[in-house]
Parts: sequence; structure tokens; C-alpha cells
Amino acid sequence: DAKTTQPPSMDCAEGRAANLPCNHSTISGNEYVYWYRQIHSQGPQYIIHGLKNNETNEMASLIITEDRKSSTLILPHATLRDTAVYYCIVLNNAGNMLTFGGGTRLMVKP
Amino acid sequence: DGGITQSPKYLFRKEGQNVTLSCEQNLNHDAMYWYRQDPGQGLRLIYYSQIVNDFQKGDIAEGYSVSREKKESFPLTVTSAQKNPTAFYLCASSRDKNYGYTFGSGTRLTVV
Repeated sequence: DAKTTQPPSMDCAEGRAANLPCNHSTISGNEYVYWYRQIHSQGPQYIIHGLKNNETNEMASLIITEDRKSSTLILPHATLRDTAVYYCIVLNNAGNMLTFGGGTRLMVKP
Repeated sequence: DGGITQSPKYLFRKEGQNVTLSCEQNLNHDAMYWYRQDPGQGLRLIYYSQIVNDFQKGDIAEGYSVSREKKESFPLTVTSAQKNPTAFYLCASSRDKNYGYTFGSGTRLTVV
């Protein structure tokens, strides 16, 4: 499985954009990048996913580099409720297993 | 509303006892998964099932068992062979490999 590397923690001011990086240099051509977040003691929540192109939905934007070796999740206007652990995951070729690393603990501060 | 339900939310068991965690989904998803999460850590895959009556071991299957007799249900049994069972257990389901996973709200198991 392609491994991902994320910074363990980040801070962001409320109302500002939060940019969360993820390195996935061993990703294969047909493997998707998924982002989830987990608020304490709850199940992870799906945010967004992508293959090659940049993606945007009501929650966030996903920017994937042209070589696909890294991506950035953007929360355009972070709120206190966005404080959570954010996981970047790459699906393996079978598409049926997810390995979650430690993620990035995002702290949004007033 | 469609979703995935885990029960109970909190579970206590005595050392040496087996315990079964329930996971039910009404999303008509083929694939289901069990993960374990320890404090401050990411999720580790225990077992997964892509279809009824079939399942595969994940990274940390020792001391656990599962069954998949119905599409909707994927119970996890934590056996007495599991040396350190106290953890947060998460169940998930997926339609297929190109779609995201839906997670349950988790069961927190404590061995006393």
C-alpha cells in the first residue's frame, strides 16, 4: 500500500484558510487520495477524494500535484468546529483496504 | 436514513471473557471493515469482508474473529486470546473501491 506522511499537528486562526499537506510519493497511477477527519471519540467523516484533478465540494478543496506525489486539503474558512484529526489515505489497488496513519491534529483557534 | 450502526457504545468485560461487537448497515454496501484505534493513534485494520460468507485478515487479526452471514451485518468477536483488547473499535462499509467509506460511531471496549 502507498504510505502517506502528514505533519502531526497544525494551528489555524478562525476564519482563515487551513492548508493541510500530505505526501504520498509512492502512489500508483490508479490509486485515489481520500481525506477523512475524526472528531474526538467519533467515527471518521469523509471529506473529499480525488485521482488526478483538483476537486471541490461544500466542505473543502483538494489540490493534487501534477506528479501526484503530494496533495493539500484546503478548508477555506476554518471554524472552531473544524478542530479535528485529519487523515490522508491512499486506497490500494484492490480498493478495499484503508490504512490510517497518525493524521494531522488541526487546532482552530479564536 | 441509511447508515451504519455499532452497538453498544461502551462495553466492559472481564479479563478472559469473549465479547462480540455489533455492526449493522442498511446502505446495501458489499464491503465491510473493522478497525481498532488506540489513544492518540491512527486506525489499524483488523478484518474486512468484500462479500457475504467471505472475509480476510487485516494487519492485526490475532485474537479476533468475524462472520459475514448477512450483507447487513459484520459482528466482531474479541476473544480471550487478544492480549490487549482495551481500545476504540470502528466499523465501516463501502460500496466499491471508487467510493468513500462510511464509518459507525464506534464501540469503546474496556477490559476490567
